[in-house]
Amino acid sequence: GIQVEQSPPDLILQEGANSTLRCNFSDSVNNLQWFHQNPWGQLINLFYIPSGTKQNGRLSATTVATERYSLLYISSSQTTDSGVYFCAVAPSGSARQLTFGSGTQLTVLP
Amino acid sequence: DGGITQSPKYLFRKEGQNVTLSCEQNLNHDAMYWYRQDPGQGLRLIYYSQIVNDFQKGDIAEGYSVSREKKESFPLTVTSAQKNPTAFYLCASSNRGFDGYTFGSGTRLTVV
Repeated sequence: GIQVEQSPPDLILQEGANSTLRCNFSDSVNNLQWFHQNPWGQLINLFYIPSGTKQNGRLSATTVATERYSLLYISSSQTTDSGVYFCAVAPSGSARQLTFGSGTQLTVLP
Repeated sequence: DGGITQSPKYLFRKEGQNVTLSCEQNLNHDAMYWYRQDPGQGLRLIYYSQIVNDFQKGDIAEGYSVSREKKESFPLTVTSAQKNPTAFYLCASSNRGFDGYTFGSGTRLTVV
């Protein structure tokens, strides 16, 4: 099946810093999403982005489908950004069931 | 407000018992999914359903069963055949036009 690799596995930032999270995938996809999992386990959909660039406030994401990677940018980080960020993909031709990466654990210090 | 409701939030099960986790959505989504998450890991797909009365096995279906008798509901039964059921279980749904998944808040199952 499709492989999803996220980097870095852990990231510690000072409040106000910027960061870039990366997701590499092994096959063409028809679905790519970024999620934030909060300390209570809730998964929040940040972006649905199988290709192109999107922005939502301090967060933005870019997927280069031809090169099989996606980037999530967090600017001016806040302590509430802490948690685990997951990239998830579904291969082209599938019924869109997602395969998840192992996540990036982000800790933002005050 | 539309969303996905999972219940209960916490569930304790004795070894050898079957338990059923509830997932209900009022988003009018056609597709529903069950995922399992173990500590420090990503999510793995258990079962998914694209339409009522139809469902497919995911990557780790052994020891689990599902039903999809109504569009709004997709309950998951963890059977006694599941050897290591202690985990966090998440339900999700998506619509036909597809703009991404919506997840419920999860059920934490512990075998005692």
